[in-house]
Order: sequence, then C-alpha cells, then structure tokens
Amino acid sequence: AQTVTQSQPEMSVQEAETVTLSCTYDTSENNYYLFWYKQPPSRQMILVIRQEAYKQQNATENRFSVNFQKAAKSFSLKISDSQLGDTAMYFCAFVGTYKYIFGTGTRLKVLA
Amino acid sequence: DTGVSQDPRHKITKRGQNVTFRCDPISEHNRLYWYRQTLGQGPEFLTYFQNEAQLEKSRLLSDRFSAERPKGSFSTLEIQRTEQGDSAMYLCASSLVRGQAGELFFGEGSRLTVL
Repeated sequence: AQTVTQSQPEMSVQEAETVTLSCTYDTSENNYYLFWYKQPPSRQMILVIRQEAYKQQNATENRFSVNFQKAAKSFSLKISDSQLGDTAMYFCAFVGTYKYIFGTGTRLKVLA
Repeated sequence: DTGVSQDPRHKITKRGQNVTFRCDPISEHNRLYWYRQTLGQGPEFLTYFQNEAQLEKSRLLSDRFSAERPKGSFSTLEIQRTEQGDSAMYLCASSLVRGQAGELFFGEGSRLTVL
C-alpha cells in the first residue's frame, strides 16, 4: 500500500528566511505524481507545486521549489523568502493511477 | 468557472439523524473525490467517481455512508444514523484527467458536528 509520511508536525520560520518541509513516501509504482498542497486556516486546500516522477528536474514555482529524490522516495518542499501569508498547513500528496494519498501535514508558522 | 462548491458549509446534528452533503465540481471535470479530514490530520480518502461511476470506496466508509453522482455532475454524500465519531470536515475535490493524474481542486468543505 502507498503511504506518505511527514515527520515534522510543526515548524516555524522568520519572515524572509528559508524553510524546508520534509516528505517521504512508499510505493511500488514507477509512474506517479507528487504534490504539495497548502491549507490556510479555515480556507480551502490549494496546490503549491507538483512533480512528475518521470522528470528528473526538480519543479519550481516562484519562491517554492522541491527536492525530489526518487531512489530515496523523498520529496521535500523549500520555501524561500518566507512571507506571513505562507502560514498554513502543508500537505504532501502522492497519486499513482487515481487515488491521492495525503500525509498528516506540517503546520508552518511564519513569524514577523 | 466558480470552482468546487460544497453545501452546507456547517451542519450540526444529533446522534442518530441522517445528513446529506452536496458537492458541485468544476463543470468539465470527470473525476470527483470525497475525503474526510479530522482536526490536525490529513485528508483521508473515502470514495471517488469517474463520471457517474463510483469506482472505489474506502474501508473507512461503513454501510451508513453512501455517495452518488447522478449524470456525472454534482455528487451527494449521505450519512445515515450519525455517530459522534462521524464529526469531521468532509472535503470534495474534482479533477480533469486525460490519461494522467491531474491537479485536485478542493471545495471549502462541509463541517459536520454530531452531538
């Protein structure tokens, strides 16, 4: 069975600093996708970044980038120049054919 | 495109009552998912539809839970004889899939409180 593990329940970072959120997953599939979703307090979940497993190049979206290590089954999210609006729960997610599996989340607080 | 909408946003009910949640996905999306999220946890998969067909139902879903997606448009999730353990946020999400997994678009959720 596929699993997604986020080992950091909570993290904090100073505004303008860089923070990295960790995620590991387990699967026997070779073709899959990985996502990071953000869930601000009392608001809906939105996509931050996605990575196709067949692509070796790490995905980047403005201040957000990933470090995808396929052999190690690791998929970390780096947030550069952290902003107060980045305060949220962050969920790592895996999908093979159709079922999206989410981790338990990391609560990130950006401090002024 | 107004995004995924869910109704009601909040529902408070007494144990033993039935509740129904509705989800309107993004119109052209062919897949629709239901997830359950409890406080401090990640979304747990409940079920999903490809168009109008319900293709998988999680073991988390007891016989008291039923979901439908008539005509492949909106979906309903009904919980019969609610229990306090059913208290959670019920999330609906949709995606457009053309051979590959697509981005999931989430609604704001329906929060259920069972007294």
